[in-house]
Amino acid sequence: KNEVEQSPQNLTAQEGEFITINCSYSVGISALHWLQQHPGGGIVSLFMLSSGKKKHGRLIATINIQEKHSSLHITASHPRDSAVYICAVRGTGNQFYFGTGTSLTVIP
Amino acid sequence: DVKVTQSSRYLVKRTGEKVFLECVQDMDHENMFWYRQDPGLGLRLIYFSYDVKMKEKGDIPEGYSVSREKKERFSLILESASTNQTSMYLCASTLGLAGAGEQFFGPGTRLTVL
Repeated sequence: KNEVEQSPQNLTAQEGEFITINCSYSVGISALHWLQQHPGGGIVSLFMLSSGKKKHGRLIATINIQEKHSSLHITASHPRDSAVYICAVRGTGNQFYFGTGTSLTVIP
Repeated sequence: DVKVTQSSRYLVKRTGEKVFLECVQDMDHENMFWYRQDPGLGLRLIYFSYDVKMKEKGDIPEGYSVSREKKERFSLILESASTNQTSMYLCASTLGLAGAGEQFFGPGTRLTVL
């Protein structure tokens, strides 16, 4: 049983395309995180959100608490956006639950 | 600005060896976590600690133990390494016992057990 489901698992896009990655979760949460992992392993936090929408540069994250769903959007995608994007939720306790990630490749 | 560091980026050990993976954070965070990451399985929680000398089992604690003697340092120990423990190990920390603190990750240690 996966508490966090992401789709798609793999995504290939042309440079400049608008990209959407989806995340659904089944547990009560205190916050949802979008993480980015580049080849080599390092993970950085992109967004932490508990309601509404956040924007940072070309990245937009939204969450619908009632539907237990979040989306990560990338506008005007660029090859340097190629990475694995991971959705994670922090449950009402101390644990984090992670999706298996979406591998994004942006082709020039 | 370094926040979470791990003792090694790459490590090769033999079956049966005792392995220590160290994680240090400089943000005075209460919570620290050890995960392993395997292809197709995502991040899985091994152990976490919410205070010095406190530890809680995660989803896959078998074959591992942890130590948190100081607030900034959280060690993962493989008492007798096995080949199925070959993986990427990631340490993370967050501020606060409850709530929604951002999670900061270390760079990861890729462990190979031969």
